[in-house]
Amino acid sequence: QKEVEQDPGPLSVPEGAIVSLNCTYSNSAFQYFMWYRQYSRKGPELLMYTYSSGNKEDGRFTAQVDKSSKYISLFIRDSQPSDSATYLCAMSANQKLVFGQGTRLTINP
Amino acid sequence: GAVVSQHPSRVICKSGTSVKIECRSLDFQATTMFWYRQFPKQSLMLMATSNEGSKATYEQGVEKDKFLINHASLTLSTLTVTSAHPEDSSFYICSASSISSTDTQYFGPGTRLTVL
Repeated sequence: QKEVEQDPGPLSVPEGAIVSLNCTYSNSAFQYFMWYRQYSRKGPELLMYTYSSGNKEDGRFTAQVDKSSKYISLFIRDSQPSDSATYLCAMSANQKLVFGQGTRLTINP
Repeated sequence: GAVVSQHPSRVICKSGTSVKIECRSLDFQATTMFWYRQFPKQSLMLMATSNEGSKATYEQGVEKDKFLINHASLTLSTLTVTSAHPEDSSFYICSASSISSTDTQYFGPGTRLTVL
């Protein structure tokens, strides 16, 4: 079993839809939870960072962490074609990041 | 803030040659830098972790004599792929974390290496 599980998709939704991306994990030592966005042939860009259970909002993005269920989510409201990318969840303990496989997301105009 | 650059962005070399990739933190001091490798449609795989002035720590299965890492200053780390072979062709990405935020990594734009 992988430490971090993420559905690779692909996921395709119409512009304006609410997108829900999810990851589960097995290692209870993970303390920090991140979402990165990666465009094709580019490095990952940090979107959200949180370390506690609950919700964190930043513009159209909301990160949700449920440590009791070992489950994290990223919600994108009012999705735009420019949101089309691969979204990677990542978790860390002792500075090392463990990534999910990444979900390929396409927002159709 | 928190900008990381990599150079070159793309390199093509002949089999048997060595290639050096630079990773720089432009607006912060990076106490720790990380090197990842990413194959098409796959996630990032950590190769090694380096702290300024110390020897790098390599992940299991990564040959330290093949992938030489130097972290000479708080803003620069280099990865040298020695005696490159076609199977070394990949997307190499570095990241850096700062003293103030050790669990957050900021990534460079990546270097695409093609070995002919």
